[in-house]
Amino acid sequence: DIQMTQSPSSLSASVGDRVTITCRASQTISNYLNWYQQKPGKAPKVLIYAASSLQSGVPSRFSGSGSGTDFTLTISSLQPDDFAIYYCQQSYSTPPTFGQGTKVEIK
Amino acid sequence: QVQLQQWGAGLLKPSETLSLTCIVYGGSFSDYYWSWIRQPPGKGLEWIGEINHSGSTNYNPSLKSRVTISVDTSKNQFSLKLSSVTAADTAVYYCARGVRISHSVYYYYYIDVWGKGTTVTVSS
Repeated sequence: DIQMTQSPSSLSASVGDRVTITCRASQTISNYLNWYQQKPGKAPKVLIYAASSLQSGVPSRFSGSGSGTDFTLTISSLQPDDFAIYYCQQSYSTPPTFGQGTKVEIK
Repeated sequence: QVQLQQWGAGLLKPSETLSLTCIVYGGSFSDYYWSWIRQPPGKGLEWIGEINHSGSTNYNPSLKSRVTISVDTSKNQFSLKLSSVTAADTAVYYCARGVRISHSVYYYYYIDVWGKGTTVTVSS
């Protein structure tokens, strides 16, 4: 299985901050990388697919970049609704695997 | 608007079989892959497997010997069975819709619709 490693595991930020989360794959996965947001007690929600494509309905402050093994999710201006756990997921090979998550907390 | 509604037993004893079903309301049933994903308490997400409308399945190798996913297209339903459960199978189980977009010899795959989740506890 392809291992996905996110950093940091958690971060504290203020409303309006620019936030960057990194995801690294254990082997090259081209751009077969998705990002999800999960709030407590809720199912995840897809934000970005194919590394940089914004899912319909997702605010434009979310963006994704990267290819190969290193990927980034950026929130350009953190909003109160963005405090959550973020997961990356590779779809290059079966089984699809997820990172361990990055918790974004209020500073 | 597509909705997934899931149900099944929430408390099992070790060695029993977990059984969950998910019904799809709205949208096309035949254009997607229907998946099961689980999340142990306080932990990350694990993909269990998927099925399409014709019954073609893919399973996580780590669970393959114990997992069966089936589909009933007449009811727009799909189901999960996981045999010989242990405490390690305690988790929230989600049914979900998988999108596949062809790209070169591969395809992009992501989950765009999720059920609300069923908490399954395995305890003697």
